[in-house]
Amino acid sequence: DAGVTQTPRHEVAEKGQTIILKCEPVSGHNDLFWYRQTKIQGLELLSYFRSKSLMEDGGAFKDRFKAEMLNSSFSTLKIQPTEPKDSAVYLCASSLWGEAGQLYFGEGSKLTVL
Amino acid sequence: QQKVQQSPESLIVPEGGMASLNCTSSDRNVDYFWWYRQHSGKSPKMLMSIFSNGEKEEGRFTVHLNKASLHTSLHIRDSQPSDSALYLCAAASSGSWQLIFGSGTQLTVMP
Repeated sequence: DAGVTQTPRHEVAEKGQTIILKCEPVSGHNDLFWYRQTKIQGLELLSYFRSKSLMEDGGAFKDRFKAEMLNSSFSTLKIQPTEPKDSAVYLCASSLWGEAGQLYFGEGSKLTVL
Repeated sequence: QQKVQQSPESLIVPEGGMASLNCTSSDRNVDYFWWYRQHSGKSPKMLMSIFSNGEKEEGRFTVHLNKASLHTSLHIRDSQPSDSALYLCAAASSGSWQLIFGSGTQLTVMP
């Protein structure tokens, strides 16, 4: 079975650029999450979709971060414009309703903003 | 302020020893807890979940939950070097699988 696929694995951007990260969840999963991970803040929830509907839009992350779920098997996270403090690993995870919160994470997209 | 607090931030135990990790939620709506493990350079993977008061054991791993204090703990007996990883606690409210994670405990098991 294919797990969660994230692309690109690494991205280097200049301050002010727009970047788009992509995620393909596990086939058949209903829930999709975007998290940001840094050593200082840990794992922070950015967005949460249930059956393609946006359930959580990340509060403090709303301004420059926009996640979309174009269909049940593809999601994007756009950061516009990027800032150096956005440097982090962005993790996508999916889960199946009824599996009690067992998230399957992708390998992550490591973003460096110069 | 983090809604899920973990302690200690880092922990070193000798091989064969017992590792004890703690996690508390400040959100009174929380009902469910999970423990995830993340090896260096890898993505987190679920280790155990606990939803009811009491204790749950799986092999060398035991989790405890006290719902009144919103505190859970993970205990690893006979720790192995392969257990060295970042251990993340997650919590969610009733009716939601929106997991909020703590900052983690970095466990190092010394051979």
